[in-house]
Amino acid sequence: DGGITQSPKYLFRKEGQNVTLSCEQNLNHDAMYWYRQDPGQGLRLIYYSQIVNDFQKGDIAEGYSVSREKKESFPLTVTSAQKNPTAFYLCASDAGQGYNEQFFGPGTRLTVL
Amino acid sequence: RKEVEQDPGPFNVPEGATVAFNCTYSNSASQSFFWYRQDCRKEPKLLMSVYSSGNEDGRFTAQLNRASQYISLLIRDSKLSDSATYLCVVNYEGYQKVTFGTGTKLQVIP
Repeated sequence: DGGITQSPKYLFRKEGQNVTLSCEQNLNHDAMYWYRQDPGQGLRLIYYSQIVNDFQKGDIAEGYSVSREKKESFPLTVTSAQKNPTAFYLCASDAGQGYNEQFFGPGTRLTVL
Repeated sequence: RKEVEQDPGPFNVPEGATVAFNCTYSNSASQSFFWYRQDCRKEPKLLMSVYSSGNEDGRFTAQLNRASQYISLLIRDSKLSDSATYLCVVNYEGYQKVTFGTGTKLQVIP
């Protein structure tokens, strides 16, 4: 089955700790995205990558970092610099070229204690 | 003005009713449009793409009005299972990221 996987589903961390969220896809998609969703709000773009070894900041990149060393993988690190990290994090991918629908992973719900 | 705007609702409708949502977008260069459905605490899933000529999928009809810069979603014969948040999505040519609306919440009541 082709799809996007994210792990873990739930994550708890203490303030001041960095944490990395995993995102893997086997759809052979070129583009991958990270979004953040807060209760009752829409999706906000954190980072996106159109090709391996390249990525761009989205609207709310501060306090986050990413890498794209492999086409299949796009991990997101939430650093201690992110002031309000508790949220639902969604990874998505699409075939690129600007016209295609995005497919989402099941999300990771991060809670900072 | 937001790039993509939706009425947040909630829209509370009885089973069997017809309901319509609109979504306006600000960039006239927008090229592709989608409706996604998001259930509570789940990821968004593609409901349907929106084509210039309009398109229908069972009880769902999507339309695009480029002159007025909005897209619409019509749901006929609403089912309890249609209860969800519906996200409007707009994509800009040559700018490979999408913009999501904040969603319209639909609650179908027995």
